[in-house]
Amino acid sequence: QVTLRESGPALVKPTQTLTLTCTFSGFSLSTSGMCVSWIRQPPGKALEWLALIDWDDDKYYSTSLKTRLTISKDTSKNQVVLTMTNMDPVDTATYYCARIQGSSWAIDYWGQGTLVTVSS
Amino acid sequence: QSALTQPPSVSGSPGQSVTISCTGTSSDVGSYNRVSWYQQPPGTAPKLMIYEVSNRPSGVPDRFSGSKSGNTASLTISGLQAEDEADYYCSLYTSSSTYVFGTGTKVTVL
Repeated sequence: QVTLRESGPALVKPTQTLTLTCTFSGFSLSTSGMCVSWIRQPPGKALEWLALIDWDDDKYYSTSLKTRLTISKDTSKNQVVLTMTNMDPVDTATYYCARIQGSSWAIDYWGQGTLVTVSS
Repeated sequence: QSALTQPPSVSGSPGQSVTISCTGTSSDVGSYNRVSWYQQPPGTAPKLMIYEVSNRPSGVPDRFSGSKSGNTASLTISGLQAEDEADYYCSLYTSSSTYVFGTGTKVTVL
């Protein structure tokens, strides 16, 4: 059974750095073809893809946010961490982590999401 | 990479069929079959409904079908049911190994 769970602060101040952790089970990120991605959704708005890390430690980022994002993995802990610098109120959103299989490149399992509010 | 274009809303009565379009360009949707569709009821995480344009994951009712013509992918819900009321998003895995989502469509069951 594949599960993913996001954790991190619910509230951050403008200009601070956000660190989110995705803890997963039911698969290994050292298995060929496995990837974990981060996606966010501002309240009432559409989904926005942020970043992806694959089994080979290759990393890919949204073009518009790449200067602010860093994704990393700890395979032994089954965790993926996303950091986003210089947070702004427009970054207020529910942040999801999700699994992707390279065989189909579909996002087949999602975490429940964590709401992050940026406010002073 | 700009967001893929979807109609803001579609509606239908129970038992009817509705189709949601997802329009890109000849460089993205028109060139690749890595189009997926996601269903998101209010307050919940998205759920994969269709992958690689027309494939259904195990457990997804066959009322849901996908297709593509030119630069536009489509999701059709046949025999609409009250439980199908949700937001729907298309997504594309691009040649740059990134993803782009559609603008989202709200499906209302009348």
